[in-house]
Amino acid sequence: AQSVTQLDSHVSVSEGTPVLLRCNYSSSYSPSLFWYVQHPNKGLQLLLKYTSAATLVKGINGFEAEFKKSETSFHLTKPSAHMSDAAEYFCVVSDLSGTYKYIFGTGTRLKVLA
Amino acid sequence: GAVVSQHPSRVICKSGTSVKIECRSLDFQATTMFWYRQFPKQSLMLMATSNEGSKATYEQGVEKDKFLINHASLTLSTLTVTSAHPEDSSFYICSARTGGVNEQFFGPGTRLTVL
Repeated sequence: AQSVTQLDSHVSVSEGTPVLLRCNYSSSYSPSLFWYVQHPNKGLQLLLKYTSAATLVKGINGFEAEFKKSETSFHLTKPSAHMSDAAEYFCVVSDLSGTYKYIFGTGTRLKVLA
Repeated sequence: GAVVSQHPSRVICKSGTSVKIECRSLDFQATTMFWYRQFPKQSLMLMATSNEGSKATYEQGVEKDKFLINHASLTLSTLTVTSAHPEDSSFYICSARTGGVNEQFFGPGTRLTVL
């Protein structure tokens, strides 16, 4: 069965400094992995996705993530945080058993300090 | 492309009444739609999966008689919260996917408040 663990419930960074949001997964299959962002009282916006192509995935707004099979990780990074990046971030693994369900991590709240 | 809408965005109702939330895929045919519920400061919890023209599959612990899901067409699914109570107050989010694509497209969510 698939699962995903977001290691930090809260992360605070200063504006202009790098962002690292950590995600580890467990999957019996070659997984599909996603990062979504949610601003308060809004729906989810896809940042990037890994679907067994290039292991370094570039997304929107300067975010990227690297799929590391040996470490079962899919950490999200950004070189320089912007105030508008403050939001909730969810790491997701897709169930490839045929149901296409998403398994969500518990989320990481990113705070960006001026 | 791949836009999903929800209506209404916010609804307030009295305890004991029923509320219907619509989820539409605007520019693609949604073979599968998913309904999630999100409590404040928590992650999304999958409630049910619905395939067009067939009965929804509910997750363990979700009352199917309370949360009625209909997926009558390839662009519309509805969630009806029957006999709503204050504990049903939550943020409800739908998503949709089309055949051959392993990605869900999310609606903007519906904030339900039951008084």
